[in-house]
Amino acid sequence: QVQLQESGPGLVKPSQTLSLTCTVSGASITSGNYYWNWIRQTAGKELEWIGRIYTTGTTNYNPSLKSRVTISPDASKNQVSLKLTSVSAADTAVYYCARLSVVEYAFDIWGQGTMVTVSS
Amino acid sequence: DIQMTQSPSSVSASVGDKVTITCRASRAIDRWLVWYQQKPGKAPKLLIYTSSILQSGVPSRFSGSGSGTDFTLTISSLQADDSATYYCQQGDSFPYTFGQGTKLEI
Repeated sequence: QVQLQESGPGLVKPSQTLSLTCTVSGASITSGNYYWNWIRQTAGKELEWIGRIYTTGTTNYNPSLKSRVTISPDASKNQVSLKLTSVSAADTAVYYCARLSVVEYAFDIWGQGTMVTVSS
Repeated sequence: DIQMTQSPSSVSASVGDKVTITCRASRAIDRWLVWYQQKPGKAPKLLIYTSSILQSGVPSRFSGSGSGTDFTLTISSLQADDSATYYCQQGDSFPYTFGQGTKLEI
């Protein structure tokens, strides 16, 4: 079955760049019908959509983060990466990658999530 | 951004009860409304999409309805395993946004 696994540093210093990778198994990120997304959840349990990428490489970002976010694919490794620059404590959260199906138009498969803390 | 407001924020019920959670969008989103269930330490799980379509494998005691700005998630005949936080999410326009969650205690 399709599985998503996030990985990356659990601690990032303020003003630095947060870099995470989502490794997809059981499906190809280059196949159609799916968008690959990043979503985060703060300690207060609020969920915030960060952005998505399609098989064509087309991206859409949350305007609140757009100036700091880049989502990119690595087809050779079947991975999707997230980079968030100039982080602050407000970026401390659990980061999830999730698949959005164009059929259901919903996040139908999620990774387990990875906790990232921004602190010096 | 479209604001999604859920009510109640928390609810306590007993096994066998029926519970209804509501979600209101700050503007009309047609039927582009999704419901998720999240248990502690786990990722959200897709329950219902397009307002009322049950995701494969989800028990039929879960149902959804609504269109425009007002939506409901109903859980009939509660089971102990339904204890979780439930979130709505709009897929009508960017940025996708979520409700603040409803914590259901059994």
